[in-house]
Amino acid sequence: DIQMTQSPSSLSASVGDRVTITCRASQGIRNDLGWYQQKPGQAPKRLIYAASGLQSGVPSRFSGSGSGIEFTLTISSLQPEDFATYYCLQHNSYPPTFGQGTKVEIK
Amino acid sequence: EVQLLESGGGLVQPGQSLRLSCAASGFTFSNCAMSWVRQAPGKGLEWVSSIGSRGRSTYYADAVKGRFTISRDNSKNTLYLQMNSLRAEDTAVYHCAKVGSAWWDFDYWGQGTLVTVSS
Repeated sequence: DIQMTQSPSSLSASVGDRVTITCRASQGIRNDLGWYQQKPGQAPKRLIYAASGLQSGVPSRFSGSGSGIEFTLTISSLQPEDFATYYCLQHNSYPPTFGQGTKVEIK
Repeated sequence: EVQLLESGGGLVQPGQSLRLSCAASGFTFSNCAMSWVRQAPGKGLEWVSSIGSRGRSTYYADAVKGRFTISRDNSKNTLYLQMNSLRAEDTAVYHCAKVGSAWWDFDYWGQGTLVTVSS
């Protein structure tokens, strides 16, 4: 199975900060990676597909980059509604595997 | 608007069975593969099972293989997960997810239904 190592596991940030979350795959996955946002009690919501594609309706402050092994989710200016947990998912190889999650908290 | 609504969760004892349902709307259900993903309390996301659009192809995580069965009824736009021989470690919120442009690429998710396995 491909292991997805996500970092950091949590972070504290202020409104307006730039936030970066990283996922590293144990082997190359091309750009077969998505980023998801989950708030307590809610369904996960896809933000980014194919490593860098912005899901329709998602604010442009979210962006994704990377290919192969290392991937990044960036929030350019953190907003109050962005405090949540974020996960990456690789769908290059069976079985699909998730990163451990990054909880973004208010500083 | 894509909507996925899970139901059927509850409290069961170890060794018992439960069937989850996921009612889909807002897209052509019969054209899409579907999946179940679970989240244990306070933990991350774990893929459980997937099924092709016609129900002919099915896939399972090793942790549930032989105990869980995924199925679908395209005439009712509904996905199912039959869970047998339940264990404490199966306790989780179970989300159904629509597969997007590629296998294992989950583009829309439901809010989930809680399954608690405890004596």
